[in-house]
Amino acid sequence: KAGVTQTPRYLIKTRGQQVTLSCSPISGHRSVSWYQQTPGQGLQFLFEYFSETQRNKGNFPGRFSGRQFSNSRSEMNVSTLELGDSALYLCASARGQGASEQFFGPGTRLTVL
Amino acid sequence: SQQGEEDPQALSIQEGENATMNCSYKTSINNLQWYRQNSGRGLVHLILIRSNEREKHSGRLRVTLDTSKKSSSLLITASRAADTASYFCATVIYNQGGKLIFGQGTELSVKP
Repeated sequence: KAGVTQTPRYLIKTRGQQVTLSCSPISGHRSVSWYQQTPGQGLQFLFEYFSETQRNKGNFPGRFSGRQFSNSRSEMNVSTLELGDSALYLCASARGQGASEQFFGPGTRLTVL
Repeated sequence: SQQGEEDPQALSIQEGENATMNCSYKTSINNLQWYRQNSGRGLVHLILIRSNEREKHSGRLRVTLDTSKKSSSLLITASRAADTASYFCATVIYNQGGKLIFGQGTELSVKP
């Protein structure tokens, strides 16, 4: 079974631009979560989606948004990029909704110049 | 803010030795999970322990959970160079779905 895939793997943008990251969960998994990892703040929860509905949201500004499609694939968008948005963005999928183990993708490394 | 705090922040041992990492958290949990991350890559799930469990084993891994002290420990026995990685505990709080709240991690270095 293929793992969680994320595209692109690396991205360089400039301040003020916007970016869209994509995540394809493991086949059969209906829950997708997003996390941001930085050296200063560590791993922080962004959102959780299940059956195309956002179930949970972390403490991030409205510039961070996401969605989930009917095939469970998810996208995350960051508008008006700031230098501090430079991070590793990780997507994780789980079989169902709720507190179970999550399977992480390799991440998208975003650099904002 | 981070729910969990881990110690030590860094640990260096020789191959064959045991490695113990500790995690403390602040609020009541549904379960606690441990993940491993190699050099800024994706996280790999190691083990999940529920709030009504006290100890769990998986291969060379042993996890304990003390809900009265709000703490957990991860023991890796007979460590190998391939165990070199960062280890994170993550808690799941009741009624917050699958949201993982991570600690800052322990960086483990196993020297051959």
